[in-house]
Amino acid sequence: AQSVTQLDSQVPVFEEAPVELRCNYSSSVSVYLFWYVQYPNQGLQLLLKYLSGSTLVKSINGFEAEFNKSQTSFHLRKPSVHISDTAEYFCAVSPISGGYNKLIFGAGTRLAVHP
Amino acid sequence: NAGVTQTPKFQVLKTGQSMTLQCAQDMNHEYMSWYRQDPGMGLRLIHYSVGAGITDQGEVPNGYNVSRSTTEDFPLRLLSAAPSQTSVYFCASSATGQHSYEQYFGPGTRLTVT
Repeated sequence: AQSVTQLDSQVPVFEEAPVELRCNYSSSVSVYLFWYVQYPNQGLQLLLKYLSGSTLVKSINGFEAEFNKSQTSFHLRKPSVHISDTAEYFCAVSPISGGYNKLIFGAGTRLAVHP
Repeated sequence: NAGVTQTPKFQVLKTGQSMTLQCAQDMNHEYMSWYRQDPGMGLRLIHYSVGAGITDQGEVPNGYNVSRSTTEDFPLRLLSAAPSQTSVYFCASSATGQHSYEQYFGPGTRLTVT
């Protein structure tokens, strides 16, 4: 079985400040790792993913996440946030084999960017 | 290309009523799934399907029914609505094979059961 823990339910931050959203997971099998973003009143969108290879993955809008196998973490970071980054962010895992893309989500972190 | 569509966007039911939440995708994806989103709990998998005619239970299937007669459609049925089913429901789809990891989500249906 898998589980995902997002350590902060809410993160308030000022515009142009750096931010880190923390995610830890537990799994007895190898997993893929994801960050999804949900803007207000919308569905979820894939932000970035780790499948294999380089442990540092980046999105097109400046977010990055690093897979740390020893600490079973996949924290999301951005060096300078914008008002438009205000959203809820979900960390998720999926078993690599036989999972048929069964996503297991964390509870979410609400990022509020203030001017 | 509409992606994943869901109807209705909002619904209010009385306890004991039944209804069907509709989900359709036009990307020819084999895999489709239903999640419910509750505050502080993230999204939880209700049912999923790996192709037409094949469905299986997820983490929280009780009180819900699904069928998959076509690749495009994956309706979710509430048999006898209960206040505990008040939630936001999301449908998602994904391809199989090399890109099966990326799921595409619909805009959601907000359901209130009184």
